[in-house]
Amino acid sequence: AQTVTQSQPEMSVQEAETVTLSCTYDTSENNYYLFWYKQPPSRQMILVIRQEAYKQQNATENRFSVNFQKAAKSFSLKISDSQLGDTAMYFCAFMKYNTNAGKSTFGDGTTLTVKP
Amino acid sequence: GAVVSQHPSWVICKSGTSVKIECRSLDFQATTMFWYRQFPKQSLMLMATSNEGSKATYEQGVEKDKFLINHASLTLSTLTVTSAHPEDSSFYICSARRPGTSKETQYFGPGTRLLVL
Repeated sequence: AQTVTQSQPEMSVQEAETVTLSCTYDTSENNYYLFWYKQPPSRQMILVIRQEAYKQQNATENRFSVNFQKAAKSFSLKISDSQLGDTAMYFCAFMKYNTNAGKSTFGDGTTLTVKP
Repeated sequence: GAVVSQHPSWVICKSGTSVKIECRSLDFQATTMFWYRQFPKQSLMLMATSNEGSKATYEQGVEKDKFLINHASLTLSTLTVTSAHPEDSSFYICSARRPGTSKETQYFGPGTRLLVL
């Protein structure tokens, strides 16, 4: 079974600064997906970024980028130029590649507060 | 991005009644949908996987007779909380799976807040 660990329950950052959220996972699979989801106070889950394990290049989406270290089983999220709207709970998630089940395993989440 | 709707967004009911929550995939066909339960400031707990045209697969510890799931079409899955009790009060979230080797993603509904009095 897969496990996903987010070791930072809460973090804060000043507006316009950069913050990195940590995520580690444990799996015996070689091919899989990793995701970061954002859940703002509205509680709508929003996909932030996706990484395929077979791709060595780190995924980026505008101000969001990841540092994917497959051997270390680490998948951190960097948010640059933090904005007040980035205040949310962030979940790291793991999904096996190309299975019928398609289930994701979620970490416990990191609550990020962006301060003005 | 794809849109998944949930209805109702809020429901308050009396103990002992049943509540049905609908999850709709609005712009793609979803053969698989997932139902989660979430307590405040906690992670999502997968309750069951809903497969179109077949029985749902429940996670260990989830009572299938308590939480009835029906995936009658490629765009609709329903979760019925039968004989609801206060301990069933929670935030319920559905998601629809959009498979594909380059687009594998879950799209989440906005959630349903259930309060059982």
